[in-house]
Parts: sequence; C-alpha cells; structure tokens
Amino acid sequence: DQQVKQNSPSLSVQEGRISILNCDYTNSMFDYFLWYKKYPAEGPTFLISISSIKDKNEDGRFTVFLNKSAKHLSLHIVPSQPGDSAVYFCAASDSLIQGAQKLVFGQGTRLTINP
Amino acid sequence: KAGVTQTPRYLIKTRGQQVTLSCSPISGHRSVSWYQQTPGQGLQFLFEYFSETQRNKGNFPGRFSGRQFSNSRSEMNVSTLELGDSALYLCASSFQRTVGEQYFGPGTRLTVT
Repeated sequence: DQQVKQNSPSLSVQEGRISILNCDYTNSMFDYFLWYKKYPAEGPTFLISISSIKDKNEDGRFTVFLNKSAKHLSLHIVPSQPGDSAVYFCAASDSLIQGAQKLVFGQGTRLTINP
Repeated sequence: KAGVTQTPRYLIKTRGQQVTLSCSPISGHRSVSWYQQTPGQGLQFLFEYFSETQRNKGNFPGRFSGRQFSNSRSEMNVSTLELGDSALYLCASSFQRTVGEQYFGPGTRLTVT
C-alpha cells in the first residue's frame, strides 16, 4: 500500500526553466510534508517542508504547494540549475497517530537539468 | 557543526550472519531514526529512538532491532541475515521531539551474499 506516490520516475528540464515535481498521498492523517534531495552515494538532504495548516511555503528558489482536498503537493524550482540534478523524494508524517518522526517516502523522481 | 555519521560505510556479510551498524547524530539531536533503502521498495522506516526509548517501529521482522545510548548514539542490529537484507541503511537525526526535518547520514551499504 503506497501511501505516498511520485508517479514520474524521471523529469528532464532545461536550465533556467521551472521544474515541477509532483507527489500524491492517500492518508488523510498526514499533517506534515517534506521534500528531500539525494545525490548518489549520499544520504537525502532536507530541502523544504510544509505543515497541513498552510498551502504554500517558499525558500529561495524552492516553493512547495499543498492541496489538501486533492491530497497533492508539488515542489517548484525556479530557475532550475545544473546542480539541481538529483533524485527528489517527497515524504509525509502523521504526527498524531504514527508519530512525527516516522516519515513515509515516495519512490523518488530523478530530475535532470540540461544546460 | 558535524553532520550525521554512520559506520561502517560498506559491509559485506554472508547469509545467516548478524551485523551491527552505528550512527552518531548531530550534536544536540536526541531523536534518531533508521531507514532501509532498496531499489524495489524505496526508503522504508525501520524505527525511531528518542532519549534511549524506541518511540516508533516500522513493519520489519524482529530480526531488525536497535538501541540508543545516553549520548544519543544509536546502533541497529540485523540477525540471521537474508539476501533480501542487502540495502542502504540510512540513519537520520532530528532535534525536535515533534514534527521537524530529519538530517540524514551517508548510509551504510550492506551486501549479503
């Protein structure tokens, strides 16, 4: 039962353009969402998070949007840079029942930024 | 501030053996979580420790166990290794007791032959 889904295994974007990575979830108890970036041979690196009481959070070039009614979140990267090429994971937690630190991850999307 | 460190980085074991992996969290972080990453299953939660107590556990068999010491360092143990246990084992630490981002170590690559 895949509670967090990233339906696009890969995405290719031209440098300078916007990258949009999508994530869907099924568990309505999730109340905190995070995005991580992972380079080969390294652990995931935290990028940005959003609480379910918000619908948008911005940090520099990264913006996360949350649509609770659709159980959908997206990560926008503007402008995209070659160093953004990595695997991006969406993660969610249900702080009240499962515990805040138990993250459920999507399968990841490999983003490639072309010069 | 030093990041999360994991030792060893690579390990090769044979079926039936047991293995212990170590994780040192970021200084001041009291929550340590463990994840297994495989190509087929992605990142899956194993367990989380806070102040030496296991607060949460994922859906893994009892062969997987862990503990946390008073200095917040954590170890995980896998007994009676199976081929399917070959994976990247990631440790993550967090400062907050409730919601908050986790900071991951580089992982231990375990290969079971």
